[in-house]
Amino acid sequence: DGGITQSPKYLFRKEGQNVTLSCEQNLNHDAMYWYRQDPGQGLRLIYYSQIVNDFQKGDIAEGYSVSREKKESFPLTVTSAQKNPTAFYLCASSIDRGGPYEQYFGPGTRLTVT
Amino acid sequence: AQSVTQPDIHITVSEGASLELRCNYSYGATPYLFWYVQSPGQGLQLLLKYFSGDTLVQGIKGFEAEFKRSQSSFNLRKPSVHWSDAAEYFCAASLLVGADGLTFGKGTHLIIQP
Repeated sequence: DGGITQSPKYLFRKEGQNVTLSCEQNLNHDAMYWYRQDPGQGLRLIYYSQIVNDFQKGDIAEGYSVSREKKESFPLTVTSAQKNPTAFYLCASSIDRGGPYEQYFGPGTRLTVT
Repeated sequence: AQSVTQPDIHITVSEGASLELRCNYSYGATPYLFWYVQSPGQGLQLLLKYFSGDTLVQGIKGFEAEFKRSQSSFNLRKPSVHWSDAAEYFCAASLLVGADGLTFGKGTHLIIQP
């Protein structure tokens, strides 16, 4: 089955620690995205990538970093510089960016930082 | 600036009643339009999409949406809701291929009363 895998489902960290969220897709999609979701805020774009070794900041990139070393993988690191990291994080992919191409979403990772 | 607005944060509907969720967009041209559904703690699933042509679009789970250019709207409807339809619904839009991706509304939380 083709799809997007995010792991783990729940993640707990102490304040001041960096944490990396995994995102893998086997849909052969070029574009991948990371969103943050907070209650009442909708989805806010953190980073996106069109091709391997290239990525762009979204609306709320501060305190986050990404890499795209393989087409299938787009991990997100939440650094200690992120002031309010507790949130639900969603990874998505699409054939291409924008236009008529819908995004396919993973199941999400809920990060809690205390 | 391009934007998608969902005017209703919460909507409560009795089981078996009809449903309409509102979505308005603000773009310089007609964008591609999407409706997604999110069950609690899950990722987003595409319900339907509009690219061009027939303004009434059929989707999965018995949902449909109507595109009205004159009102810049893309409202989601269902003739008879089921308790399993309780979820968060997101309207999204995109314009050009190669753009940042989808612009999401903030979502409408649907509550089903028995």
